[in-house]
Amino acid sequence: DQQVKQNSPSLSVQEGRISILNCDYTNSMFDYFLWYKKYPAEGPTFLISISSIKDKNEDGRFTVFLNKSAKHLSLHIVPSQPGDSAVYFCAASDLNTGNQFYFGTGTSLTVIP
Amino acid sequence: KAGVTQTPRYLIKTRGQQVTLSCSPISGHRSVSWYQQTPGQGLQFLFEYFSETQRNKGNFPGRFSGRQFSNSRSEMNVSTLELGDSALYLCASRTTVSLRYEQYFGPGTRLTVT
Repeated sequence: DQQVKQNSPSLSVQEGRISILNCDYTNSMFDYFLWYKKYPAEGPTFLISISSIKDKNEDGRFTVFLNKSAKHLSLHIVPSQPGDSAVYFCAASDLNTGNQFYFGTGTSLTVIP
Repeated sequence: KAGVTQTPRYLIKTRGQQVTLSCSPISGHRSVSWYQQTPGQGLQFLFEYFSETQRNKGNFPGRFSGRQFSNSRSEMNVSTLELGDSALYLCASRTTVSLRYEQYFGPGTRLTVT
């Protein structure tokens, strides 16, 4: 049972425009969320996180938005750059019950120069 | 700091064999988790070790096992390999001394079962 879902397997965006990657979850007890970026032949690298006590967290060009009522989070990249082309995974956890993180299936972002 | 290292990077085994994968976490990180990545399935959690104890376990058969040593290095073992075990196996470590939960991943071991 996939508790974290990324329904868009791929996304293409023009350089300089906004990239919006979406993630939905089913477990209302999830209270911590992260985004990772993965290049081919490398492990995922941490991008940004958000706790359920917040609805927005920003780090440079990356902003994560959390809508708890909709069980939805999104990652905004502004402006998008060709180097952002990678697979993006969202992950979620219920920290009260342990440190197991549930990952989505990933969205492949292509930024077109 | 050196990153998470995994050995070997690539492995080819035949059905029925067993395999052991190794992971060295970032220095000072005591939590080590293992994930299986297959096309279309994302990262599936296998297990997490902390201070040589398995703290969490995912929904995988008993053929998948692991251990952690006193220096936090970890190994995972898969016995009686099946074709469906072909995947990228990722190890991740994280610190447990602060309220930070991001994991640092190694490059993975690509296992092919023929």
